[in-house]
Amino acid sequence: ETGVTQTPRHLVMGMTNKKSLKCEQHLGHNAMYWYKQSAKKPLELMFVYNFKEQTENNSVPSRFSPECPNSSHLFLHLHTLQPEDSALYLCASSPRLAGDQETQYFGPGTRLLVL
Amino acid sequence: GQNIDQPTEMTATEGAIVQINCTYQTSGFNGLFWYQQHAGEAPTFLSYNVLDGLEEKGRFSSVLSRSKGYSYLLLKELQMKDSASYLCAVRDSNYQLIWGAGTKLIIKP
Repeated sequence: ETGVTQTPRHLVMGMTNKKSLKCEQHLGHNAMYWYKQSAKKPLELMFVYNFKEQTENNSVPSRFSPECPNSSHLFLHLHTLQPEDSALYLCASSPRLAGDQETQYFGPGTRLLVL
Repeated sequence: GQNIDQPTEMTATEGAIVQINCTYQTSGFNGLFWYQQHAGEAPTFLSYNVLDGLEEKGRFSSVLSRSKGYSYLLLKELQMKDSASYLCAVRDSNYQLIWGAGTKLIIKP
């Protein structure tokens, strides 16, 4: 238990569906992150939020839409996804966005399968 | 471009010692992290190095050489529960974390 929870843990969706992933952190952190993890590939940073403000969008397709209503909650809204979007989506948080020792704490991830 | 290299997979025997290497080429350096990730679970923080030398935490140690762009994670007295992927990540000059693809460690009895 890292203090970061994600729901759902598994999701199967069709290419025309709309779904949302939810992340909640109970650590009092101010920065939150979405990552995509595909098999045998490095973690890909998708979005970064600092004090609810988006600070990073690493050329992510518009079919992924993040939302951060407060420092404890982060959503990833999904629509018209492609089969290649199937992956493990990880949420993480850290006390601050930058600094010498900003360790990120990860949630267990949502395993997404797009059919 | 920025790059982190780690072996894809390693095998070791229970009770033995294993060294997992990580080499990096990044635009600047502001620290190196090691994470452990069991299958189907979240990555968990293991160690952080920003200066050359050794960081020890129980059975796990990490060593950094900034001049060589190199770090390794040393796992001693291996246990079956150490079977996992080990991720190396470097924070560059913009404080972005650059991740390696991870090393899958298999422990055999």
